[in-house]
Amino acid sequence: LAKTTQPISMDSYEGQEVNITCSHNNIATNDYITWYQQFPSQGPRFIIQGYKTKVTNEVASLFIPADRKSSTLSLPRVSLSDTAVYYCLVGDNDNDMRFGAGTRLTVKP
Amino acid sequence: DAGITQSPRHKVTETGTPVTLRCHQTENHRYMYWYRQDPGHGLRLIHYSYGVKDTDKGEVSDGYSVSRSKTEDFLLTLESATSSQTSVYFCAISESIPTGAYEQYFGPGTRLTVT
Repeated sequence: LAKTTQPISMDSYEGQEVNITCSHNNIATNDYITWYQQFPSQGPRFIIQGYKTKVTNEVASLFIPADRKSSTLSLPRVSLSDTAVYYCLVGDNDNDMRFGAGTRLTVKP
Repeated sequence: DAGITQSPRHKVTETGTPVTLRCHQTENHRYMYWYRQDPGHGLRLIHYSYGVKDTDKGEVSDGYSVSRSKTEDFLLTLESATSSQTSVYFCAISESIPTGAYEQYFGPGTRLTVT
């Protein structure tokens, strides 16, 4: 199983761009990189998924370098409501993806 | 939001008693999962199912069993609850997506306390 490493916590302020980096040195050729967001007392919610280069949707961007050994989730102009735990997962199907402890993002006014 | 419900949402039980948690989906997704979440551990996979009557173990399956007799229902059973099984339990469903790996949808969770 590909192991991921993320910072335990991050702080930011409203309106700033936040970048959360995840390391996955032993990512396999068929693996995708998926990020989830979890608010307190709720289940995780899918944010974005990518394989290489850059992926963008309405809520975030995902940057993946050519070697794919890391990835960066970028949240533009965060607000207080973006305070949550963010998980980085690597795998080619859900049966081998593992949630780590995630990154606890706190957005301050 | 994906149609996933969990029941009960909260339960308090005594050590040694059997407990069954139910996950119900209305999405007709093939895959279903049970996770537990404890402080400092993120979510850990207990069991998963890839079809009716097809199940397999996850990383923390000891003390748990599952059954899936219908596409829409996935049951998690603690045969004899222990205090170490006090946790929040999440059910998830997924289906393959054309662009890559699967996307999971999570239920609201069940908070179980074993006294």
